[in-house]
Amino acid sequence: EDKVVQSPLSLVVHEGDTVTLNCSYEVTNFRSLLWYKQEKKAPTFLFMLTSSGIEKKSGRLSSILDKKELFSILNITATQTGDSAVYLCAVTMEYGNKLVFGAGTILRVKS
Amino acid sequence: GEEVAQTPKHLVRGEGQKAKLYCAPIKGHSYVFWYQQVLKNEFKFLISFQNENVFDETGMPKERFSAKCLPNSPCSLEIQATKLEDSAVYFCASSQSRWELFFGEGSRLTVL
Repeated sequence: EDKVVQSPLSLVVHEGDTVTLNCSYEVTNFRSLLWYKQEKKAPTFLFMLTSSGIEKKSGRLSSILDKKELFSILNITATQTGDSAVYLCAVTMEYGNKLVFGAGTILRVKS
Repeated sequence: GEEVAQTPKHLVRGEGQKAKLYCAPIKGHSYVFWYQQVLKNEFKFLISFQNENVFDETGMPKERFSAKCLPNSPCSLEIQATKLEDSAVYFCASSQSRWELFFGEGSRLTVL
């Protein structure tokens, strides 16, 4: 069965800290891995990763994929209270187009 | 429109009643997806469409759930004879490609 596991389940940090969120997966015919941020309602797209070892960066957020070890990390540097959210990892397969989601990591940034 | 619009935001139904949710995808997006999120837990894929055709329905509980995307109409997800365990937030998403999804704000269904 296709599986996506995120860790930690939740995390509390102080403003300015750097955090690393983990996502491991076991799926057949892997195509890509996506990261989303869910605040109150709609998840918003952060990154899509298809190639191993190539870092994607957007401001203080960055992410990288390791297709050999089947995991990805999402880094957030100099965290701010606005980074508080649930971070969701999802994978897609070559066939079909559904996303298989992990349970998410709840990040709380304290001021 | 520029965002995925879902209605209603909140729907309350008694067990056994029908529930119908609507989704207007972003203009120009040809893929529409429905996901179910129970109690802030994992997103469960239900069904996807490419234009008005079902693309992947492997997540749909077919006995009571049905969905349509007809031309010039919002897409819909209908649950016949709702059960308590159908209580969830139902998210619609749309995409130009098969992969990068843009989500609506969800419709919260409460079955009493």
